Amino acid sequence: NAGVMQNPRHLVRRRGQEARLRCSPMKGHSHVYWYRQLPEEGLKFMVYLQKENIIDESGMPKERFSAEFPKEGPSILRIQQVVRGDSAAYFCASSQKVSGANVLTFGAGSRLTVL
Amino acid sequence: GQSLEQPSEVTAVEGAIVQINCTYQTSGFYGLSWYQQHDGGAPTFLSYNALDGLEETGRFSSFLSRSDSYGYLLLQELQMKDSASYFCAVSASQQAGTALIFGKGTTLSVSS
Repeated sequence: NAGVMQNPRHLVRRRGQEARLRCSPMKGHSHVYWYRQLPEEGLKFMVYLQKENIIDESGMPKERFSAEFPKEGPSILRIQQVVRGDSAAYFCASSQKVSGANVLTFGAGSRLTVL
Repeated sequence: GQSLEQPSEVTAVEGAIVQINCTYQTSGFYGLSWYQQHDGGAPTFLSYNALDGLEETGRFSSFLSRSDSYGYLLLQELQMKDSASYFCAVSASQQAGTALIFGKGTTLSVSS
């Protein structure tokens, strides 16, 4: 029973290139969340998706960032024309639809370094 | 807006008890959660409070006071392996499945 799978674990890009981060949620989980974490800082919410729908993208920059969760396949966070400030750890989490605690299961993260 | 405040660092010795406080200010409130993160790895769920009072899970307990917009995580019988970052998080909506908003985290250092 694999947990939340993220790849790549580490990604190096030069300024101006594109970064694609993938996330496969836990089996049976229909909610996917992306968070960004800078060194020594907390987890900053970016976007919340369900299959084929973006539910809340209030934390995602309006330009260069996009996310999708297609009917088939993993969720993808895409960063176009990366800049040095995009260097961070990007965590994906998934959850089931429950009426009580929304318990998030996190992946190990993708660490993006922009040179 | 939404904000959560927690201390940035706490230090303690093995066997001690430590309390990590969290105050929050949100437009809505569904519950307060706590997560643990070791060395930048995957955060893991520790506990959840939706109602006032204390929830106990082994050595860890979590408390919530909705009227004070305040909660805390209590760690007892500290062990070296408890050295980690601890985050409080709120579900700022009444709707299940809403994204969690996290505090900046408290780094706990346990020494022998």
